[in-house]
Amino acid sequence: QQQVKQSPQSLIVQKGGISIINCAYENTAFDYFPWYQQFPGKGPALLIAIRPDVSEKKEGRFTISFNKSAKQFSLHIMDSQPGDSATYFCATRNAGGTSYGKLTFGQGTILTVHP
Amino acid sequence: KAGVTQTPRYLIKTRGQQVTLSCSPISGHRSVSWYQQTPGQGLQFLFEYFSETQRNKGNFPGRFSGRQFSNSRSEMNVSTLELGDSALYLCASSSGAGSNTGELFFGEGSRLTVL
Repeated sequence: QQQVKQSPQSLIVQKGGISIINCAYENTAFDYFPWYQQFPGKGPALLIAIRPDVSEKKEGRFTISFNKSAKQFSLHIMDSQPGDSATYFCATRNAGGTSYGKLTFGQGTILTVHP
Repeated sequence: KAGVTQTPRYLIKTRGQQVTLSCSPISGHRSVSWYQQTPGQGLQFLFEYFSETQRNKGNFPGRFSGRQFSNSRSEMNVSTLELGDSALYLCASSSGAGSNTGELFFGEGSRLTVL
């Protein structure tokens, strides 16, 4: 079964610091790499996404770095705020085959930003 | 525009019973996916439906089943409940499928407790 390995499981950062969450995948047949953010009691919501033809995408304080050769991608949160405290999931989307379009999620990272 | 609606939000069942969960996608969305969320396991893919047809299925036993109606509403059923089925079940809708599976819009989930 295709896997997406996410680390760390939990992360504590001081306000204003940088939060970094990493994901590694095994299969190369993916065409879309989103990150989802989930607050307690809510469903996950799309935060930012990248396609494999670019190495970096930035949206405000959130940046995805993508390393195709290493099969890794990461989420960087600059100037982390207490309001960023949430669970973050990376995901990959199948580019073809019988599971075309299927999203596989990592195990999640619980981020806590202390004021 | 109304979001994804899941019912019921909370339910308690006993081992051996069966349960049906309902999901109403965002108006106009034809793809509905179901995920099981448990601590430490992240989001485990159950199945995806598009235009009343199951497109993808995850690695869950046959006790887990689903269907989609002509109005895109979806239901999932779990028969012969086990303690390990206790989880948050999330439904997500998308406007497309396959390579058009872009952003998933999640509901707030149905929290199932099996005693």
